[in-house]
Amino acid sequence: GAVVSQHPSRVICKSGTSVKIECRSLDFQATTMFWYRQFPKQSLMLMATSNEGSKATYEQGVEKDKFLINHASLTLSTLTVTSAHPEDSSFYICSARPDGADTQYFGPGTRLTVL
Amino acid sequence: GENVEQHPSTLSVQEGDSAVIKCTYSDSASNYFPWYKQELGKRPQLIIDIRSNVGEKKDQRIAVTLNKTAKHFSLHITETQPEDSAVYFCAASISGAGSYQLTFGKGTKLSVIP
Repeated sequence: GAVVSQHPSRVICKSGTSVKIECRSLDFQATTMFWYRQFPKQSLMLMATSNEGSKATYEQGVEKDKFLINHASLTLSTLTVTSAHPEDSSFYICSARPDGADTQYFGPGTRLTVL
Repeated sequence: GENVEQHPSTLSVQEGDSAVIKCTYSDSASNYFPWYKQELGKRPQLIIDIRSNVGEKKDQRIAVTLNKTAKHFSLHITETQPEDSAVYFCAASISGAGSYQLTFGKGTKLSVIP
């Protein structure tokens, strides 16, 4: 149980294009999901908290217009990196918190490379 | 906000020895403390967690201790094996009310030498 999927696992795109990443909780409902960014050999940096049915809460320094989050259902949250640039290249990981629990389960991550 | 410090940043042990990783947190309201193991290029996986109403929790070779007064918690791995080699992250959050956001430590790279 408590499986989280994330797609795509890897994406390479040209500068200026937009990239959408999907995060799904496969066997549980998650009103709350989280999006993280992880640089090589570093810890996970929380970007935003995604809430089903309401606007995402962004951490300080994260541009909400650049990193669009939509939590369309209790099992799906999407992160769209708009007008991606090389500095956006990173490992993006989502997590989902089963409703009623305090534990977060992580997706496998998406390696984004912007050329 | 919450701040989590984790030590050491790297740890090498001989196979069969024990490994201990320590974390401190700053917010006394934090009440949930998970530990995650992350292998290179893979997702963080929850290995054990502890809540503030418990002082110690054990699961086979892994144990976690919590000292609320001192605001620190530790991960203990006994009889280490090469497959224990990974980066370990501690985290803290306030559960039951609020955002449930996790604040992570910077990680400990554990190497188990065969």
